[in-house]
Amino acid sequence: GENVEQHPSTLSVQEGDSAVIKCTYSDSASNYFPWYKQELGKGPQLIIDIRSNVGEKKDQRIAVTLNKTAKHFSLHITETQPEDSAVYFCAASLTNTGNQFYFGTGTSLTVIP
Amino acid sequence: ETGVTQTPRHLVMGMTNKKSLKCEQHLGHNAMYWYKQSAKKPLELMFVYNFKEQTENNSVPSRFSPECPNSSHLFLHLHTLQPEDSALYLCASSPGRNSYEQYFGPGTRLTVT
Repeated sequence: GENVEQHPSTLSVQEGDSAVIKCTYSDSASNYFPWYKQELGKGPQLIIDIRSNVGEKKDQRIAVTLNKTAKHFSLHITETQPEDSAVYFCAASLTNTGNQFYFGTGTSLTVIP
Repeated sequence: ETGVTQTPRHLVMGMTNKKSLKCEQHLGHNAMYWYKQSAKKPLELMFVYNFKEQTENNSVPSRFSPECPNSSHLFLHLHTLQPEDSALYLCASSPGRNSYEQYFGPGTRLTVT
């Protein structure tokens, strides 16, 4: 089955700096890669996703890049703000076999004011 | 609340108790999921329902029993649990079994004593 690895497990940045979280996956057939943000006491919230036919996607301060050849994808947050502090999860799935998500172990991001 | 709601938010139960977790989605989706979230581990998919029919059971012990009476409601019945079952239990929904996005509820924090 699919195996997703996520790094780093913890990340601290100064407010205004950029943060990058990286994930690798093992199954070259995976075709959908969402990123979730989980704040304390809440469930994961979808913040951005990318499909395998696209190399990059951007939404305001958040961007995701996908390298299918290397089987890795990354989350980029620019101009970080204290409210970006949370745990971020990546996932990979093959949607035409039931949409089972394989999650990474999470990155705890702290933005220091 | 809108989206996906879960009750109760917190539950403490003894190993001999029987309790149920409830999930309701207000998004008009047809697929619903139960996940287990333990510290330092990836989210683990437990069960998948599509149009009220169970389509996935990821080798979950029989002390966890799901029920999906309709596409909007999902239950997880618990009995004779073990302390290692203490975790955050998350419900999610998606438009269909092969759809891309999954939307999560806030979770039920379960403690087994």
